[in-house]
Amino acid sequence: AQSVTQLDSHVSVSEGTPVLLRCNYSSSYSPSLFWYVQHPNKGLQLLLKYTSAATLVKGINGFEAEFKKSETSFHLTKPSAHMSDAAEYFCVVSLAGYSSASKIIFGSGTRLSIRP
Amino acid sequence: NAGVTQTPKFRVLKTGQSMTLLCAQDMNHEYMYWYRQDPGMGLRLIHYSVGEGTTAKGEVPDGYNVSRLKKQNFLLGLESAAPSQTSVYFCASMDRGGNQPQHFGDGTRLSIL
Repeated sequence: AQSVTQLDSHVSVSEGTPVLLRCNYSSSYSPSLFWYVQHPNKGLQLLLKYTSAATLVKGINGFEAEFKKSETSFHLTKPSAHMSDAAEYFCVVSLAGYSSASKIIFGSGTRLSIRP
Repeated sequence: NAGVTQTPKFRVLKTGQSMTLLCAQDMNHEYMYWYRQDPGMGLRLIHYSVGEGTTAKGEVPDGYNVSRLKKQNFLLGLESAAPSQTSVYFCASMDRGGNQPQHFGDGTRLSIL
């Protein structure tokens, strides 16, 4: 069975310090992995995606994620947090390329707070 | 570039009333989805469509109906609204093929009194 676990429901960092949002997945196949960001009263916006081309993926707004198959992890990082990064972040596993178009599994989300 | 547009953005209904939420995408995507987002529950799939004229049930389809008469539009209907359907509803579209991301609308905030 496929699953996604976001290990922290809430992360709080000071502005200018590094950000680490953790995501572990379980899949029988080599999945496509995504990180989305959701700002208040907005829809989900794609930050980055992993599709087996490279294990280190760069996204928008200075975020990047590293795919580690041995650890089944896809953690999201940013070297220096900005106040505008405060939002909810979702890790997503997609098997839509292999099977049903509905096989898209969302993590429960991590709320990122930035302290001035 | 509009992307995915949801209408209305907000709505308040009384129990038993009916309404239709409209999702429109201008990216010529084959797949479209309706989700609901509730505190502590994440995103749950209500219905989805893999092409014009086709629909399928998701994780929580009860109390909802959908239609995809045109490729660019995906309608979500509530025939007899219940307070348990108070939620934020998101529509998403996705291109066919592996490794594609979903594109989301900004949501419809629905309250059932």
